[in-house]
Amino acid sequence: AQSVTQPDIHITVSEGASLELRCNYSYGATPYLFWYVQSPGQGLQLLLKYFSGDTLFQGIKGFEAEFKRSQSSFNLRKPSVHWSDAAEYFCAVVFFSGGYNKLIFGAGTRLAVHP
Amino acid sequence: GAGVSQTPSNKVTEKGKYVELRCDPISGHTALYWYRQSLGQGPEFLIYFQGTGAADDSGLPNDRFFAVRPEGSVSTLKIQRTERGDSAVYLCASSPQGVDGYTFGSGTRLTVV
Repeated sequence: AQSVTQPDIHITVSEGASLELRCNYSYGATPYLFWYVQSPGQGLQLLLKYFSGDTLFQGIKGFEAEFKRSQSSFNLRKPSVHWSDAAEYFCAVVFFSGGYNKLIFGAGTRLAVHP
Repeated sequence: GAGVSQTPSNKVTEKGKYVELRCDPISGHTALYWYRQSLGQGPEFLIYFQGTGAADDSGLPNDRFFAVRPEGSVSTLKIQRTERGDSAVYLCASSPQGVDGYTFGSGTRLTVV
């Protein structure tokens, strides 16, 4: 069955430091993968998505993600974190069944940024 | 409108009461999803509509939960005999055909006291 694991519940980094948020997925075929960000009291905003092709993807707000099929991973990275990046980050995989699809989410990683 | 609209944004209800949560999807989006997000958790799938019909309701936790989409646009999630454990943010998303274009609303925060 499709599933998504985000091993880190909380991460704290200093402003200006680099960031990597881990995501591992379980899926039998080529996955469709997404990263979303959710600020307190806000809805889910799409950061980036992977459907096929290149393994390194650029998203919005300076984020990028690397797809590694051999490790079943889709880690989110940012070279230099800003205080406004403090939020909750969710990785998701598309599950296909009977001609339709739905998103399956990980439990999320909460990012705190120290000044 | 330009995005997915959910009303109300906040709902406080007493245990045992009935509530309705509304989702107005992006015009033309045939697929509509409901998710539930409990504190500290990721969104959990509840139900999926393709047009007017519920194609997958496997995520509904029990028969107190029901959802409709009578005209293939607006959807209503209905919860009977609410329990404190139903407290969560209920998210709605819509998309056109295919795997791209999921758009989420800001959610309804339901608190059962």
